[in-house]
Amino acid sequence: ETGVTQSPTHLIKTRGQQVTLRCSSQSGHNTVSWYQQALGQGPQFIFQYYREEENGRGNFPPRFSGLQFPNYSSELNVNALELDDSALYLCASSFLQGTQYFGPGTRLLVL
Amino acid sequence: AQTVTQSQPEMSVQEAETVTLSCTYDTSESNYYLFWYKQPPSSGQMILVIRQEAYKQQNATENRFSVNFQKAAKSFSLKISDSQLGDTAMYFCAFMKHRTGRRALTFGSGTRLQVQP
Repeated sequence: ETGVTQSPTHLIKTRGQQVTLRCSSQSGHNTVSWYQQALGQGPQFIFQYYREEENGRGNFPPRFSGLQFPNYSSELNVNALELDDSALYLCASSFLQGTQYFGPGTRLLVL
Repeated sequence: AQTVTQSQPEMSVQEAETVTLSCTYDTSESNYYLFWYKQPPSSGQMILVIRQEAYKQQNATENRFSVNFQKAAKSFSLKISDSQLGDTAMYFCAFMKHRTGRRALTFGSGTRLQVQP
């Protein structure tokens, strides 16, 4: 059984640029959730995808957007990067909206 | 809205000893899930430690890990028995509603646990 994978592991961007992060869900899972974890804090919910549609969103601006593909993998896109977007981005997959299992995360640094 | 509070930013325990991490939460929901996740040092991955369903009165147990779930007090503490060096990590308490539709995890701010040899 393959766990949740994320790519890339690390990323450095400059302010104003755009970034795409990728996530492959665990085998048998059909729901993907994305979280942002700033340094020293707990993760904050960004949004969730189920059946290729957004199924709930946290308190994040529209420049945070996502996709889910037919194979249940997902992308997180962030436009017009700001310094405060520097964080660990975590993807979690689940079956329907059950227990969430996390990937290793992508560390984004915005300069 | 739900809130999760972890009032112990850091804790330390000797190897083989027992330690309890505290978590309280606030919600108007009657049915929900509670979780403990660990995040090892230098690793971003959140690893599921234990899960509790609010409608179950029996406290969940997973090997050396057990919880003390007090629904009326909205308290959900994690007990680690026979602590091992590999238990050194950040521990996060999390809440999730039990209903259809969006099921987002709400996390506390975490407790850093150091297991001393």
